[in-house]
Amino acid sequence: KAGVTQTPRYLIKTRGQQVTLSCSPISGHRSVSWYQQTPGQGLQFLFEYFSETQRNKGNFPGRFSGRQFSNSRSEMNVSTLELGDSALYLCASNLQGGGRGNTEAFFGQGTRLTVV
Amino acid sequence: GDSVTQMEGPVTLSEEAFLTINCTYTATGYPSLFWYVQYPGEGLQLLLKATKADDKGSNKGFEATYRKETTSFHLEKGSVQVSDSAVYFCALSDRAGGTSYGKLTFGQGTILTVHP
Repeated sequence: KAGVTQTPRYLIKTRGQQVTLSCSPISGHRSVSWYQQTPGQGLQFLFEYFSETQRNKGNFPGRFSGRQFSNSRSEMNVSTLELGDSALYLCASNLQGGGRGNTEAFFGQGTRLTVV
Repeated sequence: GDSVTQMEGPVTLSEEAFLTINCTYTATGYPSLFWYVQYPGEGLQLLLKATKADDKGSNKGFEATYRKETTSFHLEKGSVQVSDSAVYFCALSDRAGGTSYGKLTFGQGTILTVHP
């Protein structure tokens, strides 16, 4: 079965611009989470969506936003880009269900964003 | 809040050496614990997991035991190979609030290099 697909893989943007990243989860998975990975801060949680609703949000400014569509695909948007937004953005999907066995997240390969 | 602390890296070993990467955590509820591995240019892959105290996760020769009394989840492998060279992340998913299935809290990562 197909894994988590993120597009594009690489992106170069200019400071002040905005960017939209896309994530298609594994078929049947209803939860999508986003993470930012940088050498200095490591992996940080951005937000999680489930059934088109944001269920959890990390400690990022309002310039970072996201949404989820009815087919579970998700997008995240960063407005007014700053140099510090340069990072690998990872999307993870999770099969939502009851019990502890359904907490495994599957990650995409990420989108490498460079802000110049 | 939740936190994960991994041993300082990088770790450099010779092939067939024994590996231990220490991981301790702080959580308010009853977390599930994970080890993820990241190869160069790739996203994260789940290596193993444990969902309750005293569970042992294992995969590809790697093992980790969920120790609630010491809040630890140390990763071990008896004989490493060159192909094990990667970055290893310890992570937890805390369900105390009942709505955190998709949120993972990561350690800072440990770079492992194995020489022939």
